[in-house]
Amino acid sequence: DVKVTQSSRYLVKRTGEKVFLECVQDMDHENMFWYRQDPGLGLRLIYFSYDVKMKEKGDIPEGYSVSREKKERFSLILESASTNQTSMYLCASSLYSTRDTQYFGPGTRLTVL
Amino acid sequence: SQQGEEDPQALSIQEGENATMNCSYKTSINNLQWYRQNSGRGLVHLILIRSNEREKHSGRLRVTLDTSKKSSSLLITASRAADTASYFCASIIQGAQKLVFGQGTRLTINP
Repeated sequence: DVKVTQSSRYLVKRTGEKVFLECVQDMDHENMFWYRQDPGLGLRLIYFSYDVKMKEKGDIPEGYSVSREKKERFSLILESASTNQTSMYLCASSLYSTRDTQYFGPGTRLTVL
Repeated sequence: SQQGEEDPQALSIQEGENATMNCSYKTSINNLQWYRQNSGRGLVHLILIRSNEREKHSGRLRVTLDTSKKSSSLLITASRAADTASYFCASIIQGAQKLVFGQGTRLTINP
């Protein structure tokens, strides 16, 4: 079974802090994704990566950056956290194409105070 | 903008009944996928139907796709309490690289 893990289930940070969310997949998938999920807005794509060191902006990249130094790990970085970034963050991966089935991690609920 | 929109937004039925959820989309697609999300958890892939397929089954799940109406439905037969979750459709717009998710249907199965 594909396993996607996220570094924290719950995280509380203060406004202005730099925040790192880590995601690791163990099935040698080519593509990895970061989404945020908010009530009434569904899932929105922040960034995705189709190869090591490659990244593409999603629908809402502002205020975020990403890093993919190794194939199995995709990090989401909030350079200076703000309260409007309080959300559920979901990481996902897919095998060959960004159109393939996606496998999701359990999510990180981030609260920015 | 939302590519897929589910209907209804919320559905509550008795255990044992069938549950039907619908998804409409706006532009031509390569495939359409359905996912389930238990409260506070990640999404789990249920089924993928390609644009040249009309119906697909997996256990108690049946998915249909009508490309002329740009719609899909997910039927869960003989529902169980464990089916309580949110269900999302996601589609790949032709020529695009990414899945676009709808806002989901919240399904509650009452014992």
